[in-house]
Formats: sequence, C-alpha cells, structure tokens
Amino acid sequence: DAGITQSPRHKVTETGTPVTLRCHQTENHRYMYWYRQDPGHGLRLIHYSYGVKDTDKGEVSDGYSVSRSKTEDFLLTLESATSSQTSVYFCAISESTPGRYNEQFFGPGTRLTVL
Amino acid sequence: AQSVTQLGSHVSVSEGALVLLRCNYSSSVPPYLFWYVQYPNQGLQLLLKYTSAATLVKGINGFEAEFKKSETSYHLTKPSAHMSDAAEYFCAVSVGNSGTYKYIFGTGTRLKVLA
Repeated sequence: DAGITQSPRHKVTETGTPVTLRCHQTENHRYMYWYRQDPGHGLRLIHYSYGVKDTDKGEVSDGYSVSRSKTEDFLLTLESATSSQTSVYFCAISESTPGRYNEQFFGPGTRLTVL
Repeated sequence: AQSVTQLGSHVSVSEGALVLLRCNYSSSVPPYLFWYVQYPNQGLQLLLKYTSAATLVKGINGFEAEFKKSETSYHLTKPSAHMSDAAEYFCAVSVGNSGTYKYIFGTGTRLKVLA
C-alpha cells in the first residue's frame, strides 16, 4: 500500500472555527489532491498540488485553502467551518512523472462534522 | 469539459450472477479512464485503468472493462459476483496537460450482492 496518512481521522467542530487537515506521504510523489465525498456527488476535487508551493483550485474550492511547503505534506484549511463542509475528506497522491495514465493512491479519509 | 456518467447509483445482483456497472464518458480526445473500488469506511483503490494499449482491460478481483469508442463507454464487468464484491465503484477520467493533471469522478455505483 502507498504510504499515505491523514490526520485527524475524525473531527467534530463548531461552525465558525478554523480546521486544518493534514495529508502526509512517504512516496515522494509530485502530485497531491484533496477531495470531499458526499452522497450522490461522488468525489469532488477541492484543490490539488503539482509541486512544492504549486497549487491550483478544483471544482469546489470556495471556503478552502491549501498549502504545501514540502513534498510530503499537503494541508487543507477551512478558515471558518460551516455545516455545509461536513463531509469525508480524502487525500490522494499520484506519480512523480506527469502522465494522464497515472493512477491515484488514496488515503484512509477524514470524517469531519461541523455542528 | 470532460466528464463521466455512471448509470445507476445502486445495483443489486445475486451471488454468482454477472456484474455490469456502466460508465460513459464525454471527451473530445482519447480518454484515460479508471475504475476504483471503495469498501466501507476505506479510501479508494484502483481496480483497473485504460491507457489505449488494449480495449479490454483486466483488473484485480476478476473485474474487467472494455473500452468502446463508438459508444463512449467503459463498462465494468465480472462474470460471477461474490459477496466480497459489495462496495461502491467509481469511474474516473484524467484531464489536463503536461505538468498538471487532475481527475474527474463519476457519482459512484453501490453494488449489493444478494445471497
């Protein structure tokens, strides 16, 4: 299995509080992604990174920011959590060599509940 | 924009019966297609991927998928369902250009296997 960990695995927080989720990889892969999974929507891309300090927005980026200061860590921050951000968040990584055929490897997920 | 459509959010089959999970894509260029499986409370793992080398691709756990350009389809099949196949299945396509790639996922099909 690819070495991807997410922390925390579960979190309950209150509306308006900041939340940071961490994704850590030991594979030295270039690409890292944050998704949210909600019933009926599949996985939707929030942000992704194609290198240290290189990030771009996905389809549902409003209310989220990311940072990648080193290859192995990709942080997702909810500046002021809202109930609509209650979801399961997955981190994924992909190979160091660019290629459209490169599959992604997924972390175990973080279940976030915003009350 | 490229997209994938999975027909049927829930599919039920009897143990030993054929499994057919449908995925159609929209793409103006040759697609790079993937099937992932998600078991309860886990992340996604790759079942198989299409990279244009062969139209019929065999994956793990006895699954296979056939790329049909004329139908813009990449349906997932398995000749005989097993109870352990109960999971959610996602079709995905990779999009982008050199240096930046991201993935578009379908909304998923939950497979139920009946004893």
